[in-house]
Amino acid sequence: GAGVSQSPSNKVTEKGKDVELRCDPISGHTALYWYRQSLGQGLEFLIYFQGNSAPDKSGLPSDRFSAERTGGSVSTLTIQRTQQEDSAVYLCASSLIGRDEKLFFGSGTQLSVL
Amino acid sequence: GEDVEQSLFLSVREGDSSVINCTYTDSSSTYLYWYKQEPGAGLQLLTYIFSNMDMKQDQRLTVLLNKKDKHLSLRIADTQTGDSAIYFCAGRTDKIIFGKGTRLHILP
Repeated sequence: GAGVSQSPSNKVTEKGKDVELRCDPISGHTALYWYRQSLGQGLEFLIYFQGNSAPDKSGLPSDRFSAERTGGSVSTLTIQRTQQEDSAVYLCASSLIGRDEKLFFGSGTQLSVL
Repeated sequence: GEDVEQSLFLSVREGDSSVINCTYTDSSSTYLYWYKQEPGAGLQLLTYIFSNMDMKQDQRLTVLLNKKDKHLSLRIADTQTGDSAIYFCAGRTDKIIFGKGTRLHILP
């Protein structure tokens, strides 16, 4: 596609429910990143993929968070048993793995947990 | 792991130069980036510098890198109202880590 696409753009859920956030990276981009942006917290690294494997999952806040990437393309971030503190904008970015690795960001998913 | 720090706010008069500062911790950072986030919009790459460079200039933007002090700065010359945004510094080691962002406010 022309850019990084994320869906849904907005998600309102009840505390305790599971949610799935989707990211379609730019075609051919080998690296894919997930970040979380909370008010006043900047961009918090969650996880990144090289191809389908995730060399670094250290940013995932708890075991309620998981992510996968299939076919070297689409990625899904799943949050189980959502809590109010999970409310944030979840941003996905992709890049070509290379020397400068410029990130291209999607518009994000605004998650609100009531 | 990498930690990136930057001040949260900066106010500058229109027409003056803005200087946004950033420090990072991992000396093995290969690339350092500045991203811009305008209100209601996504993040866009503004400029970047390779770690073996001291300076990079691109029109009104000047990036200075002091590798010894692990200090990066972004200078915006002749600041305009359209420059009002949040500016994020980021460093790349095995992954790309961002600072909390500096909100640039332009005074008339």
